[in-house]
Amino acid sequence: QITLKESGPTLVKPTQTLTLTCTFSGFSLSTSGVGVGWIRQPPGKALEWLALIYWNDDKRYSPSLKSRLTITKDTSKNQVVLTMTNMDPVDTATYYCAHSGGSYSEGYFDYWGQGTLVTVSS
Amino acid sequence: SYELTQPPSVSVSPGQTARITCSGDALPKKYAYWYQQKSGQAPVLVIYEDSKRPSGIPERFSGSSSGTMATLTISGAQVEDEADYYCYSTDSSGNRIFGGGTKLTVL
Repeated sequence: QITLKESGPTLVKPTQTLTLTCTFSGFSLSTSGVGVGWIRQPPGKALEWLALIYWNDDKRYSPSLKSRLTITKDTSKNQVVLTMTNMDPVDTATYYCAHSGGSYSEGYFDYWGQGTLVTVSS
Repeated sequence: SYELTQPPSVSVSPGQTARITCSGDALPKKYAYWYQQKSGQAPVLVIYEDSKRPSGIPERFSGSSSGTMATLTISGAQVEDEADYYCYSTDSSGNRIFGGGTKLTVL
């Protein structure tokens, strides 16, 4: 049974750096083909893909946010960490982590965490 | 940048067929996927690789893709199918993209 859970601050101030942790179970990030991604959703708005990391440490980032994002993994702890710099109120959103299944080039998110709401406000 | 375009809303009566479209220039070469998101919940995958249905998803959900358009069809829509639906795909660089979402109303 695959489960994922996001953790991190619920409130950050503008210009601060956000650090979110995804802790998962039921799969290993050392298994070929496996990936974990981050997706966010501002209140009342659409889903937006942020980043993806694979078992081989290949990393992909949303082109529009690439300069602000870093994704890393700790295979021994079954965790993936996303950092986003220079937070702004428009970054207020629910942040989800998800397991990436399917092919390496067209992986899709088949298992999702419950999401964590991050508010950016002074 | 690459975009997937969906209608903002679709409305049907219970028992009718709902069709939600997703258009994108790369869809002739890339798979389309569909997610259902009910209010306050995480998205759930309902269709993968254009037309495959994950286990546990009712048979009334089906998908198809032709040219630059993918379609999610809900045959005999039920009140519990009322949700936001998002298409998802990749571009030629391997970036992941979600469509803008379609609010399905069943009443």
